[in-house]
Amino acid sequence: QKEVEQDPGPLSVPEGAIVSLNCTYSNSAFQYFMWYRQYSRKGPELLMYTYSSGNKEDGRFTAQVDKSSKYISLFIRDSQPSDSATYLCAMSSSGSARQLTFGSGTQLTVLP
Amino acid sequence: ETGVTQSPTHLIKTRGQQVTLRCSSQSGHNTVSWYQQALGQGPQFIFQYYREEENGRGNFPPRFSGLQFPNYSSELNVNALELDDSALYLCASSLGGGGLRTDTQYFGPGTRLTVL
Repeated sequence: QKEVEQDPGPLSVPEGAIVSLNCTYSNSAFQYFMWYRQYSRKGPELLMYTYSSGNKEDGRFTAQVDKSSKYISLFIRDSQPSDSATYLCAMSSSGSARQLTFGSGTQLTVLP
Repeated sequence: ETGVTQSPTHLIKTRGQQVTLRCSSQSGHNTVSWYQQALGQGPQFIFQYYREEENGRGNFPPRFSGLQFPNYSSELNVNALELDDSALYLCASSLGGGGLRTDTQYFGPGTRLTVL
């Protein structure tokens, strides 16, 4: 079993829809949670990062963390065609190395 | 743009050869991490360097090695290439130091390696 599970999709939604992307994890040591966006043939780009359980909002993006359930989510409101990309959740434990453990990514297409 | 650059963009090698990939971190970033991303998968941690010393290693064999230089550049070396080494290799830099802000990793565009 992988430490981080993410539905690979693909997910296709109409423009303006609310998108929900999710990851579950098994390692209780994970303390830091991130969402990256990766366009085709590009490196991952950091969207959101959070430490505690609860919600964090940034523009159209909301990250949600539930440590008791080992479940994190990313919500995208008013989705746009430019949001079409692969979304990767990533996590790390405390300590100096801060190596990231990634999910496999969810491929999202927003149709105009 | 993250300010992290990688070279070359693409590379084709044959099985058994050796390869060196290069990364230039953001100025002031003391930490560089390398990841391997197979097609359709998330990146997998190879190793991390902090102030020119290895600071953590993932589940990769010793034929994967690295160097970090004082000028914020770094290298990933892979010996005895295997077909399964074909992947996108990503480097990520961060300030380092133990805090959430300072440990946030910023990725370069990657080097796509094909092993024939």
